[in-house]
Amino acid sequence: DIVMTQSPLSLPVTPGEPASISCRSSQSLLHSDGNNYLDWYLQRPGQSPQLLIYLASNRASGVPDRFSGSGSGTDFTLKISRVEAGDIGVYYCMQALQRPITFGQGTRLEIK
Amino acid sequence: EVQLVESGGGVVQPGGSLRLSCAASGFAFSTYWMTWVRQAPGKGLQWVANIKGDGSDKYYVDSVRGRFTVSRDNAKNSLYLQLNSLRAEDTAVYYCARAMSDRFEFGGQGTLVTVSS
Repeated sequence: DIVMTQSPLSLPVTPGEPASISCRSSQSLLHSDGNNYLDWYLQRPGQSPQLLIYLASNRASGVPDRFSGSGSGTDFTLKISRVEAGDIGVYYCMQALQRPITFGQGTRLEIK
Repeated sequence: EVQLVESGGGVVQPGGSLRLSCAASGFAFSTYWMTWVRQAPGKGLQWVANIKGDGSDKYYVDSVRGRFTVSRDNAKNSLYLQLNSLRAEDTAVYYCARAMSDRFEFGGQGTLVTVSS
């Protein structure tokens, strides 16, 4: 199974400041089609997960451009350019390259 | 817009069974893979099972294979998860999601399964 490791696990941020979350996979997520099968999800308190980024760097429909994804192979990053209060929750990375699909442990973003 | 409504959760004793349902709307249900993902209380997300649009292919995480069965009724736009031989470690909120080759799209609030004597 591919193991997904996120850091940090907790991230206090001041509104208006940037934030960055790292995700590393135990195997390369680069498919032969040239895409990295890595997604980012946000789970706000009491809600189901929401897709933010797919294929490492593509924003999902309706996701503000404050959110961006980057990386390739085994190292990936989610960046929020300016954190807002509505961004609080737990962020998960997920590999969609092979079954079993696996998630990172989650990074809890909180407002200072 | 993907709309998914999970139901069927509840409290069940160890060794018992439950059937979860997921009612889908807002998209051509029969053309999509669907998936179940669960979240134990205070824990992270775990993929549980996938099923192809026509129901011909199914995959499971090792910890539930042989105990859980995923199925669908495309005429009713509904997805199901039959949970048998339940264990305490199966206690979780179960979410259904639309699955594409490279992402999941969630749309419901999940249904809570509690396995306890």
